[in-house]
Amino acid sequence: EADIYQTPRYLVIGTGKKITLECSQTMGHDKMYWYQQDPGMELHLIHYSYGVNSTEKGDLSSESTVSRIRTEHFPLTLESARPSHTSQYLCASSESPGQGGYGYTFGSGTRLTVV
Amino acid sequence: GEDVEQSLFLSVREGDSSVINCTYTDSSSTYLYWYKQEPGAGLQLLTYIFSNMDMKQDQRLTVLLNKKDKHLSLRIADTQTGDSAIYFCAAYNFNKFYFGSGTKLNVKP
Repeated sequence: EADIYQTPRYLVIGTGKKITLECSQTMGHDKMYWYQQDPGMELHLIHYSYGVNSTEKGDLSSESTVSRIRTEHFPLTLESARPSHTSQYLCASSESPGQGGYGYTFGSGTRLTVV
Repeated sequence: GEDVEQSLFLSVREGDSSVINCTYTDSSSTYLYWYKQEPGAGLQLLTYIFSNMDMKQDQRLTVLLNKKDKHLSLRIADTQTGDSAIYFCAAYNFNKFYFGSGTKLNVKP
C-alpha cells in the first residue's frame, strides 16, 4: 500500500543534540514538504523539494536543514536542538504540477520535545 | 500569495449538522481542500473541489464553493463524536498549497 512514513513518532532529546527526523514515501511523488505545527494548530511550511537534489526553504525560517538524494526520502536534520524546536513536525508529499486534484498525503508526524 | 482564513472553534451537539467555513483571497486557486486532523496524527484528506464546481457531496460531507465571495464551506451531516478533530481548509495555487489555521470541532454527546 502506498503511503508516507515518519519516524520516530515521538522523540525527547536534550539541548545541543543533533537529530534527524525521517520521512519516506512509496508513491513516487516528486514533491515533498516539511511543516512545523505549533500548539495553536497552524501549519508553517519550513522546507520543500520538487525533486532529487532540489530543496528550498519555506515560509517560516527554520534552523533545520533537509536533503533529497532519493525521490522517496526527505530527512530533516537539526544540528543542535534547542527547547524552541519543540513542536510537531509533519512531512507530506504530492504529485507533480498539474496533478493538484489529490492534494497532499501527510505522514503521521513526529512530536519532538527538547529538554 | 494566497491567504486562507478559518474560524478557530466550533462546538455542536451529536446528531446536529456542522458547518465549517473558510475564506480565501486569490481567485486563481484551482483546487480547494478539506483535511481532518485527529489528535496526535497527521492530516487526512477528506474531500476536494475543483474551482469550476459549486458543490460536491460525499456521504455525510457536502462542500459548497462560492467563487464570487471566495468562500468555501464543509457541512457534516449527523455529526458524531468521532468527527471531533481539527479541520483544515487549503487552496492550491501556482504549484503551492496554502493552509488555513484550522477549525477545532468539538462534538458534545
